[in-house]
Amino acid sequence: QKEVEQNSGPLSVPEGAIASLNCTYSDRGSQSFFWYRQYSGKSPELIMSIYSNGDKEDGRFTAQLNKASQYVSLLIRDSQPSDSATYLCALANAGGTSYGKLTFGQGTILTVHP
Amino acid sequence: DGGITQSPKYLFRKEGQNVTLSCEQNLNHDAMYWYRQDPGQGLRLIYYSQIVNDFQKGDIAEGYSVSREKKESFPLTVTSAQKNPTAFYLCNPPETQYFGPGTRLLVL
Repeated sequence: QKEVEQNSGPLSVPEGAIASLNCTYSDRGSQSFFWYRQYSGKSPELIMSIYSNGDKEDGRFTAQLNKASQYVSLLIRDSQPSDSATYLCALANAGGTSYGKLTFGQGTILTVHP
Repeated sequence: DGGITQSPKYLFRKEGQNVTLSCEQNLNHDAMYWYRQDPGQGLRLIYYSQIVNDFQKGDIAEGYSVSREKKESFPLTVTSAQKNPTAFYLCNPPETQYFGPGTRLLVL
């Protein structure tokens, strides 16, 4: 079993729809969870971080964490073509001032078509 | 760039050649990490340094070497022992969740 597994893509949604990206993980000691967006040829860009069970909203993005079920998800509301990118789920065993090693999933390619 | 710079943007390596990738930060962070990304995959940890003059192997250190003589700098050398070096290399100070712009290494 991979340490971090993301739903296989590519995922295609129409403009204005909700895109749902999922990630499961195996290490119950994980404390910090991140979603990165990566455009082709660019480095990953942090879009959401979540540390506690429940939902965290930031604009059109909502991250959901369920530590008991070991999954974290990202919802993108009112999807735009500019959201088309690869989304990477990452987690760390540490929190606080230094996150240490990040463990990544393989990424999910999202395409938002007009 | 969030205070993290990497150079060059593209690097070409000939067979049997060692090449060095630069990572510099002006964030005054103690720790710096190097990751590698292969097409269609997530990032994997190569080497990391928690403090000046100290560094540790990550998950895929074979064929790589590093030094940490200054707090601001953490260069990564891809040696001739690394048989499959073509990848996107990213530097990250773990006190942030941000990455440098990356170096794409290609083999001639």
